[in-house]
Amino acid sequence: KNQVEQSPQSLIILEGKNCTLQCNYTVSPFSNLRWYKQDTGRGPVSLTIMTFSENTKSNGRYTATLDADTKQSSLHITASQLSDSASYICVVSANQAGTALIFGKGTTLSVSS
Amino acid sequence: DGGITQSPKYLFRKEGQNVTLSCEQNLNHDAMYWYRQDPGQGLRLIYYSQIVNDFQKGDIAEGYSVSREKKESFPLTVTSAQKNPTAFYLCASRWAVNTGELFFGEGSRLTVL
Repeated sequence: KNQVEQSPQSLIILEGKNCTLQCNYTVSPFSNLRWYKQDTGRGPVSLTIMTFSENTKSNGRYTATLDADTKQSSLHITASQLSDSASYICVVSANQAGTALIFGKGTTLSVSS
Repeated sequence: DGGITQSPKYLFRKEGQNVTLSCEQNLNHDAMYWYRQDPGQGLRLIYYSQIVNDFQKGDIAEGYSVSREKKESFPLTVTSAQKNPTAFYLCASRWAVNTGELFFGEGSRLTVL
């Protein structure tokens, strides 16, 4: 069964600190992996997309890694800001007919001052 | 600005009433999707459409209906048959079903009184 598991479920950090969010998947055949940021009451916004051959991709203070062998991805946030408080969703796309997007439940990050 | 517009942002419904959520996109995307989001759960697919006049059931289609008469529009009707309709509803679109970035609208929150 195709699944995406994210950890931790929630996280609280102080402003300025770094943090890493995890995403493990059992999706086959794998096509790509996306990280989205979703502010409370808003729609998700894409941060990064990674294909099988990519193992690191950055978007400002956000850096995503992908290990296709172990089927793990991480999202590292550097020098966190209050505006980083949001839910971060990992989405894995399966390479198959029809729609094949598998969503994780998300990690809720709270950045406090 | 190109994007996806959902309306209304907030909607209250009495039990037994049907309601329709609007989704309009000006991105020239063929594929459109409706997702439901509940606290602590990943996004669940309700319906998707690959092209005008075609749509397919997702994982939780019971109690919902859609139409795709125009490329730009993909309205979702929440019928009285939906047993637990209170949720956050997200519309999304992309170039084709398994191609391109997935863009989301800002969501519609439906509350049944």
